[in-house]
Amino acid sequence: KAGVTQTPRYLIKTRGQQVTLSCSPISGHRSVSWYQQTPGQGLQFLFEYFSETQRNKGNFPGRFSGRQFSNSRSEMNVSTLELGDSALYLCASSLEGRPPNIQYFGAGTRLSVL
Amino acid sequence: GENVEQHPSTLSVQEGDSAVIKCTYSDSASNYFPWYKQELGKGPQLIIDIRSNVGEKKDQRIAVTLNKTAKHFSLHITETQPEDSAVYFCAASPYNNDMRFGAGTRLTVKP
Repeated sequence: KAGVTQTPRYLIKTRGQQVTLSCSPISGHRSVSWYQQTPGQGLQFLFEYFSETQRNKGNFPGRFSGRQFSNSRSEMNVSTLELGDSALYLCASSLEGRPPNIQYFGAGTRLSVL
Repeated sequence: GENVEQHPSTLSVQEGDSAVIKCTYSDSASNYFPWYKQELGKGPQLIIDIRSNVGEKKDQRIAVTLNKTAKHFSLHITETQPEDSAVYFCAASPYNNDMRFGAGTRLTVKP
């Protein structure tokens, strides 16, 4: 069974631009969660999507948004990029999304904002 | 919301020794406590988890203990090997799947 796939693996953008990251969950998984990982803040929860609906949201500004498609694939969008948005963005999928369902992580997309 | 603290931030042990990483959480509603291992260039991988109705769980060289009263849980790795070197994260999750992670522990196992 294929794991969680995130594309692209690396991105370089400049301040003010916007970016879209993609996540394909494990086949059959309906929940996709997004996290931001930085050396200073660690792993921070962005949001979770389940059956095309945002079910839970972390404490991030509205510049961070996402969506989920009917095939459970998810995209995350960051508008008006800031230098502080440079991070590793991870997505994780799980069967149903409620604990204690195991979350499986992708390798992440490393975003650098110049 | 949930707040998870993890200690130590770095840990260096000799091959064959044991390693212990400790976490505390704040939200008494948390009922699921996974531990993840992250190697360089990879996403976190689940290595063991424990649920709030269990006090201890073991899987070969890895064990996790949970004290719900004190709101802390620990990861124990015995007979450490160089391939155990990685960053380890604890996490706590209440019913709504808003998983909160500790800051991570960089474990180095010296051969």
